[in-house]
Amino acid sequence: DAGVIQSPRHEVTEMGQEVTLRCKPISGHNSLFWYRQTMMRGLELLIYFNNNVPIDDSGMPEDRFSAKMPNASFSTLKIQPSEPRDSAVYFCASSRSGGAMDYGYTFGSGTRLTVV
Amino acid sequence: GENVEQHPSTLSVQEGDSAVIKCTYSDSASNYFPWYKQELGKGPQLIIDIRSNVGEKKDQRIAVTLNKTAKHFSLHITETQPEDSAVYFCAASNARFGAGTRLTVKP
Repeated sequence: DAGVIQSPRHEVTEMGQEVTLRCKPISGHNSLFWYRQTMMRGLELLIYFNNNVPIDDSGMPEDRFSAKMPNASFSTLKIQPSEPRDSAVYFCASSRSGGAMDYGYTFGSGTRLTVV
Repeated sequence: GENVEQHPSTLSVQEGDSAVIKCTYSDSASNYFPWYKQELGKGPQLIIDIRSNVGEKKDQRIAVTLNKTAKHFSLHITETQPEDSAVYFCAASNARFGAGTRLTVKP
């Protein structure tokens, strides 16, 4: 099992550019979560999907952020346009849970985003 | 709101001592309480969890206790070792995490 796979590991982009983060969950897991981690705000839940359907996107900061899960093995988090305050580590996690958290998560290694 | 509060934010102990981290939650419907360990440059990793029908669970040197009436749960690490140094997070069923506790175990 390769675990949760995120790409890229690091991304440096200029303000105003579009950024796309990618995630491949563990096969058989039916819930997928995107988190953002910063020193100031800790681990923030952005959005989670169950069976490819967005269930809770209340944590998405604003319209510049969007997430999709076109199939059970792939999800993207897009920021357009990016701003320096979006700089953070973005984690994807998956779970076999049917609800928000009935089972533990497996996290990916994260994408460190720097917007200059 | 569905908040999880975690204390302390930092904890420093001597190798061999015990460490205790506490969390409180607000959503009485929460029924699953995991703990994660995050090492530098890595994603959080599940280390132990407990469900609401159990009061305590142990796995070698780590244990978790749950008091549903008081809505708090705790992580206990005994005989701490330097490799236990990391940031520890609690979470509740609503997928919100506590703010984290940076544990340092001094050799």
